[in-house]
Amino acid sequence: DSGVTQTPKHLITATGQRVTLRCSPRSGDLSVYWYQQSLDQGLQFLIQYYNGEERAKGNILERFSAQQFPDLHSELNLSSLELGDSALYFCASSGGTGTYNEQFFGPGTRLTVL
Amino acid sequence: AQKVTQAQTEISVVEKEDVTLDCVYETRDTTYYLFWYKQPPSGELVFLIRRNSFDEQNEISGRYSWNFQKSTSSFNFTITASQVVDSAVYFCALMDGPDSWGKLQFGAGTQVVVTP
Repeated sequence: DSGVTQTPKHLITATGQRVTLRCSPRSGDLSVYWYQQSLDQGLQFLIQYYNGEERAKGNILERFSAQQFPDLHSELNLSSLELGDSALYFCASSGGTGTYNEQFFGPGTRLTVL
Repeated sequence: AQKVTQAQTEISVVEKEDVTLDCVYETRDTTYYLFWYKQPPSGELVFLIRRNSFDEQNEISGRYSWNFQKSTSSFNFTITASQVVDSAVYFCALMDGPDSWGKLQFGAGTQVVVTP
């Protein structure tokens, strides 16, 4: 158990809908990262937050957005969902101020878009 | 362009055999970090090791060992005396800078199948 929690574990929804994925980092970790794992794209970095502020951005679609709240939990919002958004979404957290620290991953949320 | 190449898609071994997973990376930065993660069938990603570009010492942790060679841009991972519980997908990842700090750039992964 990494100490990172993600809810829900599974999510099934329809095209065009909007969903919110939630992540709680390990106790004391200030950095939260979101990754997408799909069969065709592999594991892709989406976005990083540090203590409430966006710090780095990857290939995140404009339909996707995220935020980190004062209690350090983070939410990833996916809107206007398409079939291709079906994937496993991971949240990770790391400690300290260095963005090169090891990242500890949550169990993931499996999103299925029908 | 793919910055981390794991050329082996799948490796099948019989229990107690050794297995070596190859990882070749590409970066122009002098400071970078390399990682290995394990993804068992349950799906979570488990951190195994992090090395920085200035530390080329090989590392051993139990049955796991890592060989970092800057000259060939490789960071290979060996499981000695494999066990069924080692069956998983193993990912090598690179973090370089300055625009990529915080971003783990993963290879495609190598599926290891250990049969009794």
